Amino acid sequence: LAKTTQPISMDSYEGQEVNITCSHNNIATNDYITWYQQFPSQGPRFIIQGYKTKVTNEVASLFIPADRKSSTLSLPRVSLSDTAVYYCLVGNQAGTALIFGKGTTLSVSS
Amino acid sequence: DAGVTQSPTHLIKTRGQHVTLRCSPISGHKSVSWYQQVLGQGPQFIFQYYEKEERGRGNFPDRFSARQFPNYSSELNVNALLLGDSALYLCASSLGQGVLTPPFFGPGTRLTVL
Repeated sequence: LAKTTQPISMDSYEGQEVNITCSHNNIATNDYITWYQQFPSQGPRFIIQGYKTKVTNEVASLFIPADRKSSTLSLPRVSLSDTAVYYCLVGNQAGTALIFGKGTTLSVSS
Repeated sequence: DAGVTQSPTHLIKTRGQHVTLRCSPISGHKSVSWYQQVLGQGPQFIFQYYEKEERGRGNFPDRFSARQFPNYSSELNVNALLLGDSALYLCASSLGQGVLTPPFFGPGTRLTVL
């Protein structure tokens, strides 16, 4: 499974757009990119998944360039409740082992 | 619809004891995975079960074992507990192998070993 690299922490203010970039230089052809959000003492929560170009859902957008060696999670107009750890993962099959890094701790202030 | 459920929520054990953690997957999901998350780290993969068979195992000692039942629920067992086993144990369920849907996680069981 491809290894991912993401910033350890990010700070933002309420109402701003936050972009978290993840590097995955060794991503395989069959790999998808998945992002999870985790609050303290809770299980990770699925945010978004994509393969290429752009994916958007009700909470976030995922931008994937043509070479797929990186991806950017975009959170529009963050609020205090978006303070959490965000994990970027790559893998090629659902239900198999997910390899988590340390994630990005996002802190949103008022 | 109910999500992934885990029991108990919290557990306190002493070194050397044994513990059993339980997980019920989302209805219709046939694959269950277990993860260990120590404070400040991302979750680490322990086991994956699909159709009652072990399909993957992480780098954990033989003190850790698991099984999946015909109703697709699962148990994680840890023998001879060590202080280092203190962690949040997470269960995740998914439809199954070969189906690209992301695993959904339960709330976890917080295990404290004294």
